[in-house]
Amino acid sequence: DVKVTQSSRYLVKRTGEKVFLECVQDMDHENMFWYRQDPGLGLRLIYFSYDVKMKEKGDIPEGYSVSREKKERFSLILESASTNQTSMYLCASILSGGNVETQYFGPGTRLLVL
Amino acid sequence: AQTVTQSQPEMSVQEAETVTLSCTYDTSESNYYLFWYKQPPSRQMILVIRQEAYKQQNATENRFSVNFQKAAKSFSLKISDSQLGDTAMYFCALGSYNFNKFYFGSGTKLNVKP
Repeated sequence: DVKVTQSSRYLVKRTGEKVFLECVQDMDHENMFWYRQDPGLGLRLIYFSYDVKMKEKGDIPEGYSVSREKKERFSLILESASTNQTSMYLCASILSGGNVETQYFGPGTRLLVL
Repeated sequence: AQTVTQSQPEMSVQEAETVTLSCTYDTSESNYYLFWYKQPPSRQMILVIRQEAYKQQNATENRFSVNFQKAAKSFSLKISDSQLGDTAMYFCALGSYNFNKFYFGSGTKLNVKP
């Protein structure tokens, strides 16, 4: 069974804190993504990784960084959390290649920055 | 630039009736994929249906079907015999041919009424 897990469902942090969001997939997928989901804006891509230690910026990378030391794990880091980073964060993974595939999503982490 | 537009923020339908959710997109790519995802309240995002842009035949999955109009860049989702379990946020998404970029619409909240 396909599985993408995220370390926390709910998180409350203070402004200025360093925040780590972890995502793990057990499907041996090459591509992994971090999105943030906000009402009326849909999902916006923060960062994308296509291999270990490889990453690409998405549409809204400012204030975020990522780490992918192992194929199955993709971490999103908020270096200094701010209130405008309060959001739902979704991780996803997909098998790369020519076959039609879809992204598998984690359950999401709802982050509140006070 | 790739964009996806869902012009209906919220819709309602009576149980057992049919409803159509609209989606338009813009892309300069010749090869791409289109998806509809469903996000039930407080639950994981899951794939509803997908369409390869090079295929003219509209995709169908049980009660879900799409009307893909490539020239018009339109990709609507029809749900037949609506069920209470169809109540969810629905996202239209455009995927690049190599699955390293996905673009999402802002979502349509569908409420199925008994």
